[in-house]
Amino acid sequence: NAGVTQTPKFRILKIGQSMTLQCTQDMNHNYMYWYRQDPGMGLKLIYYSVGAGITDKGEVPNGYNVSRSTTEDFPLRLELAAPSQTSVYFCASNGRGLNTEAFFGQGTRLTVV
Amino acid sequence: QKEVEQNSGPLSVPEGAIASLNCTYSDRGSQSFFWYRQYSGKSPELIMFIYSNGDKEDGRFTAQLNKASQYVSLLIRDSQPSDSATYLCAVRMNRDDKIIFGKGTRLHILP
Repeated sequence: NAGVTQTPKFRILKIGQSMTLQCTQDMNHNYMYWYRQDPGMGLKLIYYSVGAGITDKGEVPNGYNVSRSTTEDFPLRLELAAPSQTSVYFCASNGRGLNTEAFFGQGTRLTVV
Repeated sequence: QKEVEQNSGPLSVPEGAIASLNCTYSDRGSQSFFWYRQYSGKSPELIMFIYSNGDKEDGRFTAQLNKASQYVSLLIRDSQPSDSATYLCAVRMNRDDKIIFGKGTRLHILP
């Protein structure tokens, strides 16, 4: 069982470039999330999705876009990368039920120079 | 009021002592509560979950839930240097299955 898979693990972007962070889960989870985590800080929710075709903004959505065309995939798009987007990005997912927890991908470390 | 609140710390505890981590939440109808541990540079990993009032023990860890006070805590007994990490409280919302994370408490175990 692969769980939540994020690619790439590391990436260096130049200012103004664009890229897509990939996230796939194989647990048939309805909820998926994208977080960013700056050094020494907590998780900040960028976007989340409650199912295919449905997405919503979190607390820091500016500069990012998402789509959810399938249950499995939830890519995060960065347009016009800025140094302020240098961070570690985590994708997570959870299913339904009282005791089903959120699972995290291994993270993507992004540096914008 | 934020949906899930934690003291950011750092919380410094001597090795062998009990570390007590606290979390409050705003959604009175929330049913499921989770504690995650995150080492620097790594993904959060689940330590425990609890959904009934009272205590739940797993090894050196005890989760405590008080729904009336909207309060959940994590106790770590016989703290070890390897317990030094950030601990994240997470709450499943009552209105849907969305899980909300607190910002985490940094714990330092002093040798």
